[in-house]
Amino acid sequence: NAGVTQTPKFQVLKTGQSMTLQCAQDMNHEYMSWYRQDPGMGLRLIHYSVGAGITDQGEVPNGYNVSRSTTEDFPLRLLSAAPSQTSVYFCASSPGGRDGTYEQYFGPGTRLTVT
Amino acid sequence: DAKTTQPNSMESNEEEPVHLPCNHSTISGTDYIHWYRQLPSQGPEYVIHGLTSNVNNRMASLAIAEDRKSSTLILHRATLRDAAVYYCILRDVTGNTGKLIFGQGTTLQVKP
Repeated sequence: NAGVTQTPKFQVLKTGQSMTLQCAQDMNHEYMSWYRQDPGMGLRLIHYSVGAGITDQGEVPNGYNVSRSTTEDFPLRLLSAAPSQTSVYFCASSPGGRDGTYEQYFGPGTRLTVT
Repeated sequence: DAKTTQPNSMESNEEEPVHLPCNHSTISGTDYIHWYRQLPSQGPEYVIHGLTSNVNNRMASLAIAEDRKSSTLILHRATLRDAAVYYCILRDVTGNTGKLIFGQGTTLQVKP
């Protein structure tokens, strides 16, 4: 299994540009989520999904859109990039079920710079 | 989700045991205690979790206080590769939505 994959690894955008960060998992996990990590900080939840067709907002959703058309993919869209969105973005997945024992698997991250 | 409190940083010598503390005085009966760590320039990785009893796995041990208001992650013999940020996170067993709420974590430095 490749686990959780993210593309691209690095990206530089100009203010106002849009782009999509890709995330895919091959473990048939129901749950997927997106986090951002600013320098010296812990991760903050942007959006999450509990299954195909179902998404919800996390702590810091403004400026981002998500969709979940398949179990495998969970892309994150930046609608109009701003310098405040400069960060490292992590995608994660985990098995479903109403059980707090499962672990989350994280991708390697996308480092985004907005100038 | 209930909050956790961890020291900002800790130091250890290589090949010595490390005890990383976590306070969670508002923990509820349905909260599991999870630990993740983040190596430099990598995504977080799962370390261990527990509910009431102490737990061991190949990476670490988790000691949980009898009143569950605190826990300690134990690395039995620290290596240079264990230098990372360690996060203590509470997960509500009844409200699983795939979310993790991260705090600041403890930055562990391992000296050779």
